[in-house]
Amino acid sequence: GDSVTQMEGPVTLSEEAFLTINCTYTATGYPSLFWYVQYPGEGLQLLLKATKADDKGSNKGFEATYRKETTSFHLEKGSVQVSDSAVYFCALGYSSASKIIFGSGTRLSIRP
Amino acid sequence: DAGVIQSPRHEVTEMGQEVTLRCKPISGHNSLFWYRQTMMRGLELLIYFNNNVPIDDSGMPEDRFSAKMPNASFSTLKIQPSEPRDSAVYFCASSLWTDNTGELFFGEGSRLTVL
Repeated sequence: GDSVTQMEGPVTLSEEAFLTINCTYTATGYPSLFWYVQYPGEGLQLLLKATKADDKGSNKGFEATYRKETTSFHLEKGSVQVSDSAVYFCALGYSSASKIIFGSGTRLSIRP
Repeated sequence: DAGVIQSPRHEVTEMGQEVTLRCKPISGHNSLFWYRQTMMRGLELLIYFNNNVPIDDSGMPEDRFSAKMPNASFSTLKIQPSEPRDSAVYFCASSLWTDNTGELFFGEGSRLTVL
């Protein structure tokens, strides 16, 4: 079946550091891939997405590229800020079905 | 536009009591999801509806849990009787199934504590 695996947290970085959160997936078809972010006390919200291989999603300085050959969708940001502290979820879904499968989440803490 | 609205935001109850969580999806959305989030198990999909019809309830933990969607603008998740292990944050999310973007819109969650 389909699944998403992301790196264990928590991840703690200093402000302005480079961020990578790894995500790999197993899929029976050709899903769309997503990164969602959950700020403290809030629900999840979509951060970025990619719908096909080699697409790059980007938003708020974050980027992720859909790599079919390595079945990966790693999240990167060149210079993190304290306000980026949150839990990040990698996910996959299909346009033919409304269900989305989430990874376990990675907690990110940024030190001033 | 209003987002997904959940109530109550916080609920503290005693073991054995009935708990009802409510959700109003975004107007026009035709898919609705109930998730549970805990530190131990992460984010779990409990059930989802398309056009008010339950499609997949395989994530509902046991018969104590039930969910209904009587119309396009309202859904409930009921736990009866509640147990301490049901303590979690319960999220409702909605989406427009036919737009093919896969984006879910989440409410702010209902934090349940069962003593």
